[in-house]
Formats: sequence, structure tokens, C-alpha cells
Amino acid sequence: SQQGEEDPQALSIQEGENATMNCSYKTSINNLQWYRQNSGRGLVHLILIRSNEREKHSGRLRVTLDTSKKSSSLLITASRAADTASYFCATDASGGAQKLVFGQGTRLTINP
Amino acid sequence: EAGVAQSPRYKIIEKRQSVAFWCNPISGHATLYWYQQILGQGPKLLIQFQNNGVVDDSQLPKDRFSAERLKGVDSTLKIQPAKLEDSAVYLCASSARGPRTGELFFGEGSRLTVL
Repeated sequence: SQQGEEDPQALSIQEGENATMNCSYKTSINNLQWYRQNSGRGLVHLILIRSNEREKHSGRLRVTLDTSKKSSSLLITASRAADTASYFCATDASGGAQKLVFGQGTRLTINP
Repeated sequence: EAGVAQSPRYKIIEKRQSVAFWCNPISGHATLYWYQQILGQGPKLLIQFQNNGVVDDSQLPKDRFSAERLKGVDSTLKIQPAKLEDSAVYLCASSARGPRTGELFFGEGSRLTVL
């Protein structure tokens, strides 16, 4: 079963604007990861945030994690046409087997 | 560094036929994963290997799907017989350890169409 649920399912913005995607999950986690998938391609890792971290940055990406609300957000600043892709959060639940469970994704479209 | 290699990229078969997908992970990566991604959905883990042992195959339809990782390196995923609902992209990924410690590296995927 899918652990993470992304919101919104689809997002369309103008180039230069910021894009925010949210992920909610159900059980306690060890870490949460964000991936990008361009159409017809494999997934590419963007950022990993551990359960004891609240915020991480990588270039134009900012990820926050609120374990009390079981939610995370991915912010892409100053969006570019090349950011058009699907974005997935994935969680490694604490306890049990080490496995990464993906959400359904947010389809992001950047309009020039 | 070479990435995760998968083949074939595309495969079209009739239902009840069989198909096999091959994956060669990044050199030295102990953990190998097979995910199934149906159009418009997120990837679903089918099976996870640690070296040549199975860590998790709880979502693998074992009546028709099988996978092996001989010698702890490359891996093959087989479907026999295929059903219409098996139409999907089969993604292989590898990691140096496991998801608890780091990122997964994905191949380009093998797109299966079952007619």
C-alpha cells in the first residue's frame, strides 16, 4: 500500500514562480526522500531528510518535515521550464523491513 | 560512474505470454529493487534484494512473477503468464546500502504492454 500522499495531484505555474508540493504519510519514519521523474524516464533522487531534521536545502530546493503532523513539503523556488516533471515523496518507515514506499506523485507543469 | 542498466526498454506481448526483464545495478551496490509503476501512479515495490538474498517480496504476485539475483550482481524479473493488468513500467533501482541510509539510483525502466 502507498504510504505517502502528495498534494496537489497536479500543479501548473508560470516560469519564475515558486512551486510547493506537500506529502502526508501515516506511520513513523526514519527518513523521507523526494524524487523527480521526467516523462518516460527513471526517478532521480533530489533530497533526503531524516526524522530528526526539520528543514534541508539543496540549491533551489527546500524541504521541510513535520513529524508531529506526519507531513513534508517540497518548495522549488524560481521555477524553470526544465522543472516540469512528476515529483514523488517516499518514506522509509521505522521498524520492520528497510523499504522505500512511494506516494502517487504531483505532476508539475512550468509554463514559459 | 555507469548508472543502472535495464533491458529491454520496451516490450509488447500478448496476454498469457511470458517476458523477462534484466537489470545491472551500479557496481558495488548491495541492494537491488524492482518497482512496478502503472501509468499515473507512484512506483510500487515488488521485490528487494540485499546481495543475493530477498529482503522483501510481500507485494510480488508470486503465482506469476519471479525474480532472482544470482551472485548478488545483476537481476532478472520474469512474468509468466502475463495479464492485461501487468502493463506498466518496471523500474530497477540500486543503493549502496538500503533506503535507511541513502538514496536509490533508478534505471530508465522497461515499459511492458500486454495486449
